[in-house]
Amino acid sequence: EDKVVQSPLSLVVHEGDTVTLNCSYEVTNFRSLLWYKQEKKAPTFLFMLTSSGIEKKSGRLSSILDKKELFSILNITATQTGDSAVYLCAVEDWNTDKLIFGTGTRLQVFP
Amino acid sequence: GAVVSQHPSWVICKSGTSVKIECRSLDFQATTMFWYRQFPKQSLMLMATSNEGSKATYEQGVEKDKFLINHASLTLSTLTVTSAHPEDSSFYICSARDGLGGTDTQYFGPGTRLTVL
Repeated sequence: EDKVVQSPLSLVVHEGDTVTLNCSYEVTNFRSLLWYKQEKKAPTFLFMLTSSGIEKKSGRLSSILDKKELFSILNITATQTGDSAVYLCAVEDWNTDKLIFGTGTRLQVFP
Repeated sequence: GAVVSQHPSWVICKSGTSVKIECRSLDFQATTMFWYRQFPKQSLMLMATSNEGSKATYEQGVEKDKFLINHASLTLSTLTVTSAHPEDSSFYICSARDGLGGTDTQYFGPGTRLTVL
């Protein structure tokens, strides 16, 4: 059965800290891996990764995919209180276009 | 770019009534849209896949006669919760896939919070 596992489930840090969020997957028909940020409303798109070893970067956030070891990480440097959210990792099935979600990592950044 | 809207953003209705939620891709065409529901502090649960011009594909355990989906155009899908009951109260989120020569990424609408009294 396809699955996506995120760790840790929850993380509490102080502003300025750097965090690494993990996502491992076992998905038969892998097309891409996506990261989303969810605050009070629906998820907002962060990154889509399809190739191993190519880092995607947006400001203080970056992500990379390892298709051999079947995992991805999301890094956030110099965290701010506005980074507090649930970060969702999802793998898209190329056969159905469906997203298989992990349970998410809840990040809380305190001043 | 890649904006998905949902309407309404919240709705309160009486038990037994039907509620329609619209999902629109504003700046791209989406052959495939998805409908999710989310309970507090839980992850998104896929309800159905909506394909333009064809019948929706429902996930196991989702009643197709209760959650009617129509994908009439490449930019609009609707979810109608028929004869709503309090247990249908939830956060309903749609996503649209920018797959027609676009980014091949799913973008989410802002969600609709449904409360059934």
